[in-house]
Amino acid sequence: NAGVTQTPKFQVLKTGQSMTLQCAQDMNHNSMYWYRQDPGMGLRLIYYSASEGTTDKGEVPNGYNVSRLNKREFSLRLESAAPSQTSVYFCASSELAAEQYFGPGTRLTVT
Amino acid sequence: GESVGLHLPTLSVQEGDNSIINCAYSNSASDYFIWYKQESGKGPQFIIDIRSNMDKRQGQRVTVLLNKTVKHLSLQIAATQPGDSAVYFCAEIGMDSSYKLIFGSGTRLLVRP
Repeated sequence: NAGVTQTPKFQVLKTGQSMTLQCAQDMNHNSMYWYRQDPGMGLRLIYYSASEGTTDKGEVPNGYNVSRLNKREFSLRLESAAPSQTSVYFCASSELAAEQYFGPGTRLTVT
Repeated sequence: GESVGLHLPTLSVQEGDNSIINCAYSNSASDYFIWYKQESGKGPQFIIDIRSNMDKRQGQRVTVLLNKTVKHLSLQIAATQPGDSAVYFCAEIGMDSSYKLIFGSGTRLLVRP
C-alpha cells in the first residue's frame, strides 16, 4: 500500500495563477483532510471531507476550494494564488477519528 | 475557543536520557488527544493517543500522561535515540462530530550524541 500520495511535491506559482493539488489514498478511508503548515507552526485545517460526497470548511478555508472526486481522491484548488498561500500542504485520511495518515506534503511558493 | 499549545519550542537532550514534551490544552471537554512526530520534510506520523477517561497510556518507549485537572498532556520518550529527533505535535479532537484535529505549534526535540 502506498498510503497517502500527493502531487506535486514542489510548485512555484506567480500571484494570480491557479493550480490544483492532488491527493489519493489507498486505505479505503472514508474521511480525508487538507492542512497547511507554515514555518514553525502546527497544521491548520483548510477543508475536510467526512465521507464521499461531502466537504466542509476547516479553520482556514478562504482562497481554497476542494473536490472529493471519489472515495480515494480529494483535491485542493487555488483559484488565484496569493503570497500568503505560500506554505506546505498536507493531505490526510482516516477511518477512525484519531489516527489520521498524512501524505508527504506539497511545498508551494507563491511569488 | 479551542486551542492547543506547547510550553517549549525546542528541547535538547542527551542520547540515552529520557525526554518529556509538554502540552497544554484549553478545552476541558475535549475527549481525545494524539501525539504526532514530524521528521524534516515529511508528514506527521502518529505516535500514541489517549482518551479523556484515561490518565496514562504506554507504547513502545513512549508514555502519554493526561492531567485533566490542569489540562496538561505530556509525552515521555525513554532512552532517547538520534532517530527521535523531530518536531512533536500534540493534537486534540474538535468538539463537533467531524473528527477535526486541532494541532499545537510543536516542540522540536534535538538529541545530542
